[in-house]
Amino acid sequence: GEDVEQSLFLSVREGDSSVINCTYTDSSSTYLYWYKQEPGAGLQLLTYIFSNMDMKQDQRLTVLLNKKDKHLSLRIADTQTGDSAIYFCAERTYSGNTPLVFGKGTRLSVIA
Amino acid sequence: DAGVTQSPTHLIKTRGQHVTLRCSPISGHKSVSWYQQVLGQGPQFIFQYYEKEERGRGNFPDRFSARQFPNYSSELNVNALLLGDSALYLCASSLGAGIQETQYFGPGTRLLVL
Repeated sequence: GEDVEQSLFLSVREGDSSVINCTYTDSSSTYLYWYKQEPGAGLQLLTYIFSNMDMKQDQRLTVLLNKKDKHLSLRIADTQTGDSAIYFCAERTYSGNTPLVFGKGTRLSVIA
Repeated sequence: DAGVTQSPTHLIKTRGQHVTLRCSPISGHKSVSWYQQVLGQGPQFIFQYYEKEERGRGNFPDRFSARQFPNYSSELNVNALLLGDSALYLCASSLGAGIQETQYFGPGTRLLVL
């Protein structure tokens, strides 16, 4: 079955790097996503990675994928107070209707 | 370009009532998906529509229904509201329904059932 797990909270100091971790169970996962949700808002797509890749970098964001351990991470370099939000990991697999399956989200707090 | 839009932004209903939520996808997008996000949880898939046809349905009761119109906008209907239906309802649009199509989310409709 499909299940996505994330740690619930992370606190970092402004200027430090943040690493948000996610594990998934579906070995046929093909696309893995990171979404950001600010208070009272919808979901903003940050980045995604295809399962035949190990790493993807996009400005301050680096996504690492360990397929053997079914582990995905999002690293935010030089974390700013504006990065404070809930970060959701999501997977999408080759099933009948290909919905996104989300984790419960990691609340990132950035301390000035 | 306008992103995904949803209306209303907030809604208060009482148990047993019916609600209709609306979504307009990004211009050119033909697929709309609906998700329910209960407080403190990640979004849960409800429906996906593509070219006015239902392409997928999540584990939700028959009280939940949806449709897609010729202009690709969509409505989500919930009958006989329960307290547990209180949530943020998110609409996502994508160019198509395939797995390679990235889904872009709207701001959501926050529903409170009293």
